[in-house]
Amino acid sequence: KQEVTQIPAALSVPEGENLVLNCSFTDSAIYNLQWFRQDPGKGLTSLLLIQSSQREQTSGRLNASLDKSSGRSTLYIAASQPGDSATYLCAMSGGLMEYGNKLVFGAGTILRVKS
Amino acid sequence: NAGVTQTPKFQVLKTGQSMTLQCAQDMNHEYMSWYRQDPGMGLRLIHYSVGAGITDQGEVPNGYNVSRSTTEDFPLRLLSAAPSQTSVYFCASSSLLGSSETQYFGPGTRLLVL
Repeated sequence: KQEVTQIPAALSVPEGENLVLNCSFTDSAIYNLQWFRQDPGKGLTSLLLIQSSQREQTSGRLNASLDKSSGRSTLYIAASQPGDSATYLCAMSGGLMEYGNKLVFGAGTILRVKS
Repeated sequence: NAGVTQTPKFQVLKTGQSMTLQCAQDMNHEYMSWYRQDPGMGLRLIHYSVGAGITDQGEVPNGYNVSRSTTEDFPLRLLSAAPSQTSVYFCASSSLLGSSETQYFGPGTRLLVL
């Protein structure tokens, strides 16, 4: 059974700092990995999707990497801003005989960027 | 294009009551699913559907029923609510083309069972 762990559970940083959020998973037979952002009381917004054949994806100040051999993914946020404050969730899909759409989520990292 | 919509936004039930959480999407997505989110546990898959008339169980299906009569709608039914079903419920949809499709989530329904 796929298990996803996110460390740290919460993170507080000053504005402008670069930061890394970590995600680890137990089953390397994945289809893809997604990073989501969730604002308080809101739904989830997809940030980046990395297919199993890829090693990283970039969008603006965000860069996500995937290392299947070590069972790890990282989300790098450059030059953090107060507007980046949210909960960040990683989710895996796949494994043999599984639809690529079924997601297994980590518990999330709560990020606070202080101005 | 409204994306994924959910109603109601918030609901209070008494133990034993029934209700239906509504979910609709206007993106012609084949795949729809329901998740629940509990503190410290992330989201867990309840049920999912790969098309009209086809549904299957996820990780935590007990106490919930689903049906998919149209591509657009995927309601989640609680037949006899229990306090353990207090949670935030999210509906999601995506295309089934390939295996690497971004999923779109609704805003959620907060359910409190007393």
